[in-house]
Amino acid sequence: DSGVTQTPKHLITATGQRVTLRCSPRSGDLSVYWYQQSLDQGLQFLIQYYNGEERAKGNILERFSAQQFPDLHSELNLSSLELGDSALYFCASSVGGTAPTDTQYFGPGTRLTVL
Amino acid sequence: AQSVTQLGSHVSVSEGALVLLRCNYSSSVPPYLFWYVQYPNQGLQLLLKYTTGATLVKGINGFEAEFKKSETSFHLTKPSAHMSDAAEYFCAVSLRTGFQKLVFGTGTRLLVSP
Repeated sequence: DSGVTQTPKHLITATGQRVTLRCSPRSGDLSVYWYQQSLDQGLQFLIQYYNGEERAKGNILERFSAQQFPDLHSELNLSSLELGDSALYFCASSVGGTAPTDTQYFGPGTRLTVL
Repeated sequence: AQSVTQLGSHVSVSEGALVLLRCNYSSSVPPYLFWYVQYPNQGLQLLLKYTTGATLVKGINGFEAEFKKSETSFHLTKPSAHMSDAAEYFCAVSLRTGFQKLVFGTGTRLLVSP
């Protein structure tokens, strides 16, 4: 158990819908990262938040957005869902947010299925 | 831009045999290097990482990896495979400056037979 929690575990929805994925980092960690794992794209970095502020952006679509709240939990919002958005979405956390050597601790993931 | 190549999407070994999972990186400057393991239905777990210093890095569960700058490689090894090592293994790199943005390889599934 990494100490990172993600809810829900599974999510099934229809095309065009909007969903919210939730992540609680390990106690004391200030950074939250979001990743997408799909069969065709592999594991891709989406976005990082550090202490409530966006720190870095990766291959995140405009239909996707995220935020980190004062209690440091984070939400990833996916809208206008398409079949291709079906994937496993991971959240990870780390103590800091600027050192490239920080260890990231991954949650168990949310499996999103878009029908 | 950085990239990571993992040779072999599947590697099969017998229990007790040597495990060798290959990782090569492409980067203008040697990056930081990581190996993660993903067990079925679980998130990724850090096995080991290379940042600076000794090029042979020891990780958890008996795994180790050696950074070879001349070969731009960071292969993962374990002298004797155990059934519990069956999982997917990801090599990743991160630039040495700025924030940590992990770029992952496509993963190698390790199969261990009795």
